[in-house]
Amino acid sequence: QVRLQEWGPGRVKPSETLTLTCAVSDSSISNYYWSWIRQPPGKGLEWIGSFYYSGNTNYNPSLKSRVTISLDTPEGQFSLKMTSATAADTAVYYCARADSLDYFFDNWGQGTLVTVSS
Amino acid sequence: EIVLTQSPGTLSLSPGERATLSCRASQSVSRSYLAWYQQKTGQAPRLLIYAASSRATDIPDRFSGSGSGTDFTLTISRLEPEDFAVYYCQQYDNSLWTFGQGTKVEIK
Repeated sequence: QVRLQEWGPGRVKPSETLTLTCAVSDSSISNYYWSWIRQPPGKGLEWIGSFYYSGNTNYNPSLKSRVTISLDTPEGQFSLKMTSATAADTAVYYCARADSLDYFFDNWGQGTLVTVSS
Repeated sequence: EIVLTQSPGTLSLSPGERATLSCRASQSVSRSYLAWYQQKTGQAPRLLIYAASSRATDIPDRFSGSGSGTDFTLTISRLEPEDFAVYYCQQYDNSLWTFGQGTKVEIK
C-alpha cells in the first residue's frame, strides 16, 4: 500500500499563496491521477484538482483560476499552489491517489490543516 | 458539473440495525465511476466501494453498493460500533470529480 504524506505551513496570511507538497512513499508517480481534496472544518469534501503523470491536469472550475498542481517525478512528490488565499480556504487539505480506470481515490494522506488568518 | 445529493443528512440507528444511504445524481453517472467512502472523526476518508458495487480491499461484506443511472445506494447490513461515521459518495464525469455532502450515521 502506497503512503502519502502532506506538508506545508499551517498558517497563511490572506492574499498570500498557499503551497503544499505531498510525498509518495514508493516514488511511483506513473499510471495514476495525483490529487488534492480539501475539507473545511465541519464540512464535506471538495475536490480541488488532479494531475495525471503524463501531464494532463484537471481542476475544479470554482478554483481553476487560483490553483496549480505540479509533479516532481524524480522526487516522487507533487504540489499544490493556491493564490490569493482567503478565510474561505481554511481547511484540512488531503493529497490522494486516483485510479486511472475507475477514478476512485484509493489512497489518502492523513491531511494537514491550513488556516488562512492574519 | 454533476451534483450529488445524499440523503438522509443524518441516520440514527442502533448497532445491529440495517443502514440504507442514498446518493442521487443530477444527471446519469456511469456505474464504473461511482464510489463510496467512510470518514471517522479526525481521519482521512477510506474507500469502501468503487464502480458502484465493488468492495475495496479489506472492506467487510456487510458493506454493499448498488444502483445505476442517477440513483445509488450504500447498504450496511448490520451496523457494528465502528461503522458509526460519515459516508460520502463520489463520481467522475468529463474530467471532473465531485462528492456528495455526506450522510452521518450516528448511534441512536
